[in-house]
Amino acid sequence: KQEVTQIPAALSVPEGENLVLNCSFTDSAIYNLQWFRQDPGKGLTSLLLIQSSQREQTSGRLNASLDKSSGRSTLYIAASQPGDSATYLCAVRGFNTGGFKTIFGAGTRLFVKA
Amino acid sequence: NAGVTQTPKFRILKIGQSMTLQCTQDMNHNYMYWYRQDPGMGLKLIYYSVGAGITDKGEVPNGYNVSRSTTEDFPLRLELAAPSQTSVYFCASSYSSGQGANEQYFGPGTRLTVT
Repeated sequence: KQEVTQIPAALSVPEGENLVLNCSFTDSAIYNLQWFRQDPGKGLTSLLLIQSSQREQTSGRLNASLDKSSGRSTLYIAASQPGDSATYLCAVRGFNTGGFKTIFGAGTRLFVKA
Repeated sequence: NAGVTQTPKFRILKIGQSMTLQCTQDMNHNYMYWYRQDPGMGLKLIYYSVGAGITDKGEVPNGYNVSRSTTEDFPLRLELAAPSQTSVYFCASSYSSGQGANEQYFGPGTRLTVT
């Protein structure tokens, strides 16, 4: 059974710092891994999607990597800003669940201090 | 495109009442999903659909029902509401060509309280 874990659960950093959020999964047979951002009381916004054949994706100050063999993904945020404060969720879509089911981590709550 | 829309935004139900959460997408996506999110937790899949007329259970289907009569609509039905169904419900959609599943797009959510 696929399990997705995100560490740390919460993180507070000063503005301008580079930071890394971690996501680990137990079953490496995956279709893809997606990183989302969720603001309080809001829905999810897709940040990056990494297909199983890819090792990383970049969008602006965000870079996500994927290492299937070790069951890990990282989301790197460069030069953090107060507007980056949100909860970041990773989600894994796996083969063994029919390829149609997505398992979410509990998220990392990020607070960037001005 | 409006993307994924959900109604209502908020709802309070009494125990034992029933209701339908509406979800519509205008992106011609074949896959649609219903998730629930409890406080401080990630999302858990309730039901999903890979196309009109086809639905299947997710991780936490008990107490819910779905139907998919059109590509655009995927309503979630709660029968005999219970306090354990107090949660935020998200609908999502994605397109899959069979070569791999593409990114999911989410609606704004419905906040449901059962008292």
